[in-house]
Amino acid sequence: AQSVTQLDSHVSVSEGTPVLLRCNYSSSYSPSLFWYVQHPNKGLQLLLKYTSAATLVKGINGFEAEFKKSETSFHLTKPSAHMSDAAEYFCVVSDQGGANNLFFGTGTRLTVIP
Amino acid sequence: DTGVSQNPRHKITKRGQNVTFRCDPISEHNRLYWYRQTLGQGPEFLTYFQNEAQLEKSRLLSDRFSAERPKGSFSTLEIQRTEQGDSAMYLCASSETGGITEAFFGQGTRLTVV
Repeated sequence: AQSVTQLDSHVSVSEGTPVLLRCNYSSSYSPSLFWYVQHPNKGLQLLLKYTSAATLVKGINGFEAEFKKSETSFHLTKPSAHMSDAAEYFCVVSDQGGANNLFFGTGTRLTVIP
Repeated sequence: DTGVSQNPRHKITKRGQNVTFRCDPISEHNRLYWYRQTLGQGPEFLTYFQNEAQLEKSRLLSDRFSAERPKGSFSTLEIQRTEQGDSAMYLCASSETGGITEAFFGQGTRLTVV
């Protein structure tokens, strides 16, 4: 069975400060893990994905995430928040890789304060 | 725009009416997926097609739901005898076949059943 827990439903940061969005997963297999971002009135966009290669994954817009098997975590970070980062972020797990097996977390809403 | 296109963007219907949504995937993608996203939740898988074949259906897809992809291009999702619990965002995504590939999502159709 697969599941994802996003530990914070809402995170608020000041512009220029670091971002940390937390995600823990559960999977019976070696999982693939993704972070998607959803801006208002826009489709879900893939930020980055982990597929059993390097444990530190770099994505678009300066985001990165580190896969930690011992902690079953895949936290998303960014050194310096920008106003345009304000959005809903979803952590996603898949144990079979295909998009028919994507299990989404409940999302974390990121607010960036000017 | 060569992304995934969904129509209509918004639909308000009375309980008991039938509704149909359309999804046009990225042209070279032979996999097409439908997801549903209710308020405060992450998207949940409904069904997917490879070309014109419907290969998997979630238990969330009740008998009132039917999806088609007649020529392996666009897809329709029909909900018969709508209920208030059907109110949600219906998301379509497409991807290439095989492996851990990125799913490209459309902007969704927001259904409100009154």
